[in-house]
Amino acid sequence: DTEVTQTPKHLVMGMTNKKSLKCEQHMGHRAMYWYKQKAKKPPELMFVYSYEKLSINESVPSRFSPECPNSSLLNLHLHALQPEDSALYLCASSRLANNPELEGCEAFFGQGTRLTVV
Amino acid sequence: SQELEQSPQSLIVQEGKNLTINCTSSKTLYGLYWYKQKYGEGLIFLMMLQKGGEEKSHEKITAKLDEKKQQSSLHITASQPSHAGIYLCGAIFSTSGTYKYIFGTGTRLKVLA
Repeated sequence: DTEVTQTPKHLVMGMTNKKSLKCEQHMGHRAMYWYKQKAKKPPELMFVYSYEKLSINESVPSRFSPECPNSSLLNLHLHALQPEDSALYLCASSRLANNPELEGCEAFFGQGTRLTVV
Repeated sequence: SQELEQSPQSLIVQEGKNLTINCTSSKTLYGLYWYKQKYGEGLIFLMMLQKGGEEKSHEKITAKLDEKKQQSSLHITASQPSHAGIYLCGAIFSTSGTYKYIFGTGTRLKVLA
């Protein structure tokens, strides 16, 4: 099973709403990622979790709050977003290597959540 | 600055034609990953290259990593409409002891039937 499942597929929210994006994988991967992708741009890394601990935060605004409750689940809590936060949000997972630059670890992606902030 | 640059940015080819997409890194690559993305969907892993001079093929797609490990090419033979999409190269770079999985600028491919 190489599937990463993201829910919901589409989300429309107001600027005062609180919502959450969910991501699940059962490949035993211990690295999980959130990316943001705007139209006609490559995915931009937001957060990285390693062994359920936040290891990278790419200076993401605090209105985005990630959470990794266990090794299979990754959430992204959204609060007080702006219209410019509208984008495709992608979750990915990969195995953790001691030296990924040498050992190689392909990432598997979910289908994404299309978020529209109104 | 962008660590992975792709060229061309977009490509329109007639069905049956061959094409090549390039990915150039500003640093030595220890692993290069190719992905394909349909509009608005997730990324599908195609191939991983790790050794200088390595070449891999899957169906009509061939990818190669140069000897210096700073450039990779993706070649599609006899393109079909099903090859249309966005092709992204990706690599893992270390920064201050942490590892980041980042992507190239992307190449949009359209195949005309």
